[in-house]
Amino acid sequence: QKEVEQNSGPLSVPEGAIASLNCTYSDRGSQSFFWYRQYSGKSPELIMSIYSNGDKEDGRFTAQLNKASQYVSLLIRDSQPSDSATYLCAVWPGGTSYGKLTFGQGTILTVHP
Amino acid sequence: DAGVIQSPRHEVTEMGQEVTLRCKPISGHDYLFWYRQTMMRGLELLIYFNNNVPIDDSGMPEDRFSAKMPNASFSTLKIQPSEPRDSAVYFCASLAGASDTQYFGPGTRLTVL
Repeated sequence: QKEVEQNSGPLSVPEGAIASLNCTYSDRGSQSFFWYRQYSGKSPELIMSIYSNGDKEDGRFTAQLNKASQYVSLLIRDSQPSDSATYLCAVWPGGTSYGKLTFGQGTILTVHP
Repeated sequence: DAGVIQSPRHEVTEMGQEVTLRCKPISGHDYLFWYRQTMMRGLELLIYFNNNVPIDDSGMPEDRFSAKMPNASFSTLKIQPSEPRDSAVYFCASLAGASDTQYFGPGTRLTVL
């Protein structure tokens, strides 16, 4: 079983729709959760981090965390073509391994006009 | 700030040759990470340093890979001898210990023929 799994893509949504990206993790003790966006041919960049159960909103992005279900998601409202990218879920297990992230395989999102 | 700097951006070499990848982290960041990204395996952590000291090298695939960080502003990842299966994009990232944001460099695309 992979440590961090993301819903298989690619995901295609029309402009203006809500894009929903999902991620599950195996280490129940994980502390911190991140969403990175990676445009084709570019490097990953952090767009959201979440540490507590519930929702965290930042503009059009909402991260949701459910530690009991070991599940984290990213919602993108009013999707734009510029949101087309690969979205990577990353998990930090906590403890002494500060900064050591495990990444999911990524979900390719395409927003079509 | 110039961000994380990596060189070269592209490297094409022949099997058996030595390859050295270079990274300059963001000034003041005390963590440095080396990642490898392929279509098959996704983004994998190879090794990371804290205050120039290697903390975890469990992701280094084999003895052909080595990494050093002689000072706070420079790190190298060396592959000797290189093999075609080492072809990938290698990213360097840095992190300030008081933050949770890893900043990635532009990456080095390595092709081993």
